[in-house]
Amino acid sequence: EPEVTQTPSHQVTQMGQEVILRCVPISNHLYFYWYRQILGQKVEFLVSFYNNEISEKSEIFDDQFSVERPDGSNFTLKIRSTKLEDSAMYFCASRTYSNTGELFFGEGSRLTVL
Amino acid sequence: GESVGLHLPTLSVQEGDNSIINCAYSNSASDYFIWYKQESGKGPQFIIDIRSNMDKRQGQRVTVLLNKTVKHLSLQIAATQPGDSAVYFCAESSTRAGSYQLTFGKGTKLSVIP
Repeated sequence: EPEVTQTPSHQVTQMGQEVILRCVPISNHLYFYWYRQILGQKVEFLVSFYNNEISEKSEIFDDQFSVERPDGSNFTLKIRSTKLEDSAMYFCASRTYSNTGELFFGEGSRLTVL
Repeated sequence: GESVGLHLPTLSVQEGDNSIINCAYSNSASDYFIWYKQESGKGPQFIIDIRSNMDKRQGQRVTVLLNKTVKHLSLQIAATQPGDSAVYFCAESSTRAGSYQLTFGKGTKLSVIP
């Protein structure tokens, strides 16, 4: 069964460092998303991406965040200068171009900022 | 404010009993609702969805009920099994813009007692 894959599964970084989280969405999907989940809290929308551009972003997704689809398979989330409060589980999700909102989520990348 | 929330943070049920997980939403523009299951250390997994033109939808052992009058959503799990133990999130979206950006509730932890 096709699935969304994310790397790394866990990354520990120092505050102020840049981090890149990688995702390989399901191959025939056209919409891509990043969500995050701070430990014990709800899943929060960060950004959606379609047709090689951001279609929507939340207020969490400030200038420190960026997304990129550098090739036909990868979808990346970059945090330029990490803060302690960026520590969270980051989930990538994708969906097809269809009249359904079923998002397929990856297993997540846990980011710990020290 | 416009948000999705849950009435109960935890629910314990005996194996074989039926489970009912509730969710309230406040965004009157929401027209699409999804239930996700999240097992420990994993990403959210789609369970069932419902559009606002319906009030009930059934899947395999699961039923979602939507009451638009009181902005209430519920997930019913029949014959609950130990494998159903997880955190369950409701999520809502306004699909008019076509984004399917999801707003998640806080989650209800379901524990199944063998």
